[in-house]
Amino acid sequence: DTGVSQNPRHKITKRGQNVTFRCDPISEHNRLYWYRQTLGQGPEFLTYFQNEAQLEKSRLLSDRFSAERPKGSFSTLEIQRTEQGDSAMYLCASSLEIGAGVETQYFGPGTRLLVL
Amino acid sequence: AQSVTQLGSHVSVSEGALVLLRCNYSSSVPPYLFWYVQYPNQGLQLLLKYTSAATLVKGINGFEAEFKKSETSFHLTKPSAHMSDAAEYFCAVSGDNDMRFGAGTRLTVKP
Repeated sequence: DTGVSQNPRHKITKRGQNVTFRCDPISEHNRLYWYRQTLGQGPEFLTYFQNEAQLEKSRLLSDRFSAERPKGSFSTLEIQRTEQGDSAMYLCASSLEIGAGVETQYFGPGTRLLVL
Repeated sequence: AQSVTQLGSHVSVSEGALVLLRCNYSSSVPPYLFWYVQYPNQGLQLLLKYTSAATLVKGINGFEAEFKKSETSFHLTKPSAHMSDAAEYFCAVSGDNDMRFGAGTRLTVKP
């Protein structure tokens, strides 16, 4: 399978615990995005990387959230001291440029987080 | 900056009827526009994209969309709905190193 993969697919945790998700992008894609999607809403942008550099981080993202892409390949998203409001589907996407400054994204299956 | 508005969070059609899902965009640069589909319990899939070539774009599963600059619209259509088209549809706009999604439209197809 050469698509975007995410692990784990499901995570249940207690409030206050830390969780970490992993995303493996399509190998030739240099951009990697994290989104959050809650029920009935469209994807909400969290952050993105170009290679190993984190170029943008949503101002809606609290300091409990951190993402890394240490070697420009896979990425991890960590949430510290989880809150019930963090319950959502966390989507990863990698992208290929299709025009100057424009790209199309390929999404992974997501990690569904439930904070009890 | 870019933004997308999808008119109607829920659309219901009968099997065989025309599907029309509306999307209006705002963009400070010439936009590139996308429609994504999300089937129940599955991830997002790209349905079609507009990249400044032909204004009428054909996608998978018989869907197409027309870019109308004067109306800042990119509505998605399909002549005849099938039960398997029931899903959530998201419009997205890209440009200037940014990509934004609409809130989605849930399509229900009645037998």
